[in-house]
Amino acid sequence: DTAVSQTPKYLVTQMGNDKSIKCEQNLGHDTMYWYKQDSKKFLKIMFSYNNKELIINETVPNRFSPKSPDKAHLNLHINSLELGDSAVYFCASSHLGGNQPQHFGDGTRLSIL
Amino acid sequence: AQSVTQPDIHITVSEGASLELRCNYSYGATPYLFWYVQSPGQGLQLLLKYFSGDTLVQGIKGFEAEFKRSQSSFNLRKPSVHWSDAAEYFCAVGRDSNDMRFGAGTRLTVKP
Repeated sequence: DTAVSQTPKYLVTQMGNDKSIKCEQNLGHDTMYWYKQDSKKFLKIMFSYNNKELIINETVPNRFSPKSPDKAHLNLHINSLELGDSAVYFCASSHLGGNQPQHFGDGTRLSIL
Repeated sequence: AQSVTQPDIHITVSEGASLELRCNYSYGATPYLFWYVQSPGQGLQLLLKYFSGDTLVQGIKGFEAEFKRSQSSFNLRKPSVHWSDAAEYFCAVGRDSNDMRFGAGTRLTVKP
C-alpha cells in the first residue's frame, strides 16, 4: 500500500540510450511532480502536472518529457541520455495548491556509463 | 529573486542534545513553509508545515519550527535528538504547486 511508487529503483545505462521511469500514486492526488536531486543533494523541480496543466521548468532539456496516462500516473521519458543526467529522480504528488504538502517516492538512481 | 538558504551543510550533535537547523528565505510575500526529512535511500517525508496563525508549529517525531517574519526564518528544533534522527533535512518554501523551492539540505549526524 505504498503511497507513491517509482520503478525502477536503480537504472544503469549507456550514454545515448532512451529510458523511462514510471511513477504511480494511490493517494487520490490531482497533481504530480518530477524532481532531480544531484550528487550534492540539491533538489530541483523539473515538472508539475495536473489534469489541466503541465508546468515545465525552463531549464529542463527537451530530451525530458513527462507522460501521464491518467491522474494516478506520471512517467518520465528521457531521450539521448547524457552523462550529466546521472542523478536521483523523485516523483511526488499532492493536491493542487502551494499549501499542499508533497508526498515523495523513494527515488530512482540513474547512472549513465 | 526567490531563494531558500540552509546555512549549515552538516551538523553533528550528541544523542540527547538539543537541535536547531536553520532556514532563511527570500520571497515576495510570505510563502508557505515546510520541513522535510530524507533518510538514506528514501524519498522526502513531511515533518511540519506553516501557512498562517501561530508561528510555532508542531510536527511529527517531536520536531517543531518557529516562523519569524522579521528574520525571514523558519528554523527547525528538537529538544532531545535520537540516533534515528540522523538524516538529511530540507526546508522548502513556495506559494504554488509548481513553485516549491528546496534548500540545499542539512545533513544531521548523531553521535552516541
